[in-house]
Amino acid sequence: QKEVEQDPGPLSVPEGAIVSLNCTYSNSAFQYFMWYRQYSRKGPELLMYTYSSGNKEDGRFTAQVDKSSKYISLFIRDSQPSDSATYLCAMSAYAGGTSYGKLTFGQGTILTVHP
Amino acid sequence: GAVVSQHPSRVICKSGTSVKIECRSLDFQATTMFWYRQFPKQSLMLMATSNEGSKATYEQGVEKDKFLINHASLTLSTLTVTSAHPEDSSFYICSAIRMESSYNSPLHFGNGTRLTVT
Repeated sequence: QKEVEQDPGPLSVPEGAIVSLNCTYSNSAFQYFMWYRQYSRKGPELLMYTYSSGNKEDGRFTAQVDKSSKYISLFIRDSQPSDSATYLCAMSAYAGGTSYGKLTFGQGTILTVHP
Repeated sequence: GAVVSQHPSRVICKSGTSVKIECRSLDFQATTMFWYRQFPKQSLMLMATSNEGSKATYEQGVEKDKFLINHASLTLSTLTVTSAHPEDSSFYICSAIRMESSYNSPLHFGNGTRLTVT
């Protein structure tokens, strides 16, 4: 079993739709949760970052963390064609020093928003 | 802020040669950088942790003699793929931690280097 599971999709939605992306994890030591967006042949771009259970909102993006269920989500409201990309969840534990920088990624979900 | 740059963005080399990839933090000092590898249609996998002034720490299954990492300054880490083979063809990406950041700071990545070994 992988430490982080993410449905690879692909996911295709019409412009303006609400998109829901999800990841589950098995390692209870994970405390830091991130969502990245990756365009083809580019490095990951950080979208959301949180280290506690609950919701965090930033513009059209809302990140949700449920540590009790080991489940995280990213919601995109009013999706746009420019949101078409691969979305990666990532998480890490803290074991001192800079160990929180050692990220475990999900497989990535390919999202297409069509006009 | 927190800009991470990689060079080159793309490299093609012949089997058996060595290739060096640079990761630079442009507007901050980074005591720690991380190197990841991404195969087509797969996610990023951590290869190693690079600490300024000390030896890199490699993840299980990553050959340290094949993937040489040097972190000689607070703004530069290099990954050298030695005696490259076609199976080393991949997308190599680095991330860096700002020296003064705390454990709950976000992490930023470079734009990656696509290596093709022919």
